[in-house]
Amino acid sequence: SAVISQKPSRDICQRGTSLTIQCQVDSQVTMMFWYRQQPGQSLTLIATANQGSEATYESGFVIDKFPISRPNLTFSTLTVSNMSPEDSSIYLCSAGGGRNSPLHFGNGTRLTVT
Amino acid sequence: KNEVEQSPQNLTAQEGEFITINCSYSVGISALHWLQQHPGGGIVSLFMLSSGKKKHGRLIATINIQEKHSSLHITASHPRDSAVYICAVTFRNTDKLIFGTGTRLQVFP
Repeated sequence: SAVISQKPSRDICQRGTSLTIQCQVDSQVTMMFWYRQQPGQSLTLIATANQGSEATYESGFVIDKFPISRPNLTFSTLTVSNMSPEDSSIYLCSAGGGRNSPLHFGNGTRLTVT
Repeated sequence: KNEVEQSPQNLTAQEGEFITINCSYSVGISALHWLQQHPGGGIVSLFMLSSGKKKHGRLIATINIQEKHSSLHITASHPRDSAVYICAVTFRNTDKLIFGTGTRLQVFP
């Protein structure tokens, strides 16, 4: 089963700055996913990161705010741009979860924007 | 509409009690996942089910495809089982994961 290393595990950032979150998988995976979990809420899919093409964003999320890179089959980054306090959340990357495919998650990045 | 509902939202138990968490979904699925999220935020996959029953240690997961319902059972609960348990479903018509709102479990010694 895949192991996903996500960093940073937490950060406190100032309004207006950007933070890049990295996820490294120990095996090749076709698709990686980025989620946001706001306080007390369940996970919301931000986008699907595809290798070799642009990420596919869900309704309510845009590339300018959450640019994603997927340079190869084991790595992806999510940037939270021009942050505001409303961006304070846990951000998680994952792989798997398709048909007959177990789910694997990174340990999450707890972001606080002041 | 693709929906996932979990119950209860919150659950407290004394150490040793038998725990049941329920998950219902609206339409046909490819797979159902039970996940455990600890206070630090990390998520661990407990089970992936498409039919029947699975057991791992003190955890048992069942699914009834006809009734569109799954349960997660914890036998002989322990304070270290305290976490949020999340049901997530891959619907056959979209291949996307939809998450339940989670059940916050606290087990007291």
